[in-house]
Amino acid sequence: DAGVTQSPTHLIKTRGQQVTLRCSPISGHKSVSWYQQVLGQGPQFIFQYYEKEERGRGNFPDRFSARQFPNYSSELNVNALLLGDSALYLCASSLEGALYEQYFGPGTRLTVT
Amino acid sequence: SQELEQSPQSLIVQEGKNLTINCTSSKTLYGLYWYKQKYGEGLIFLMMLQKGGEEKSHEKITAKLDEKKQQSSLHITASQPSHAGIYLCGAVLGGATNKLIFGTGTLLAVQP
Repeated sequence: DAGVTQSPTHLIKTRGQQVTLRCSPISGHKSVSWYQQVLGQGPQFIFQYYEKEERGRGNFPDRFSARQFPNYSSELNVNALLLGDSALYLCASSLEGALYEQYFGPGTRLTVT
Repeated sequence: SQELEQSPQSLIVQEGKNLTINCTSSKTLYGLYWYKQKYGEGLIFLMMLQKGGEEKSHEKITAKLDEKKQQSSLHITASQPSHAGIYLCGAVLGGATNKLIFGTGTLLAVQP
């Protein structure tokens, strides 16, 4: 079975632009979470979605938004990009939430110039 | 201060030596994960512990959860160069079951 997939792998954007990142969970998993990892730090929680409903939101500005589709895939959108948004964005898939085994994708490396 | 502290921050060991990485929480642990990460890549799931006293092993890696001490340890026996990377602990803390809180990671180098 395929693991968690994310696209694109790398992305370079200019300040002020908007970006959309995509994630497909493991087959059978209904929960998708998004994390931001800045170099040298542990991942920081952004969102959790379960059955297309937002279950949790981390301490990120409203420029960050997400959604989950009927097939349980998910998109993370970031508007008005800032230099500080440069990071590795990770998607995690699980059956329901954080108390179930969470498997991460390879990540999307976003560079904002 | 960090809700989840890892120690040491970095570690260099000779191939064949044993090592231990610790993860300590400032809050009640409801689930504790160990992941391995190569630089700039995704997190590889190693183990998840949920019950006090629980111990799990995968190949030469063993993790234990001490719920009373709000602490977990990861032990690698007879380290190999393939064990090199960043080890991250992540935890479900307090009542927030929708997210993982991560430590800052432990960078492990194994010298042949």
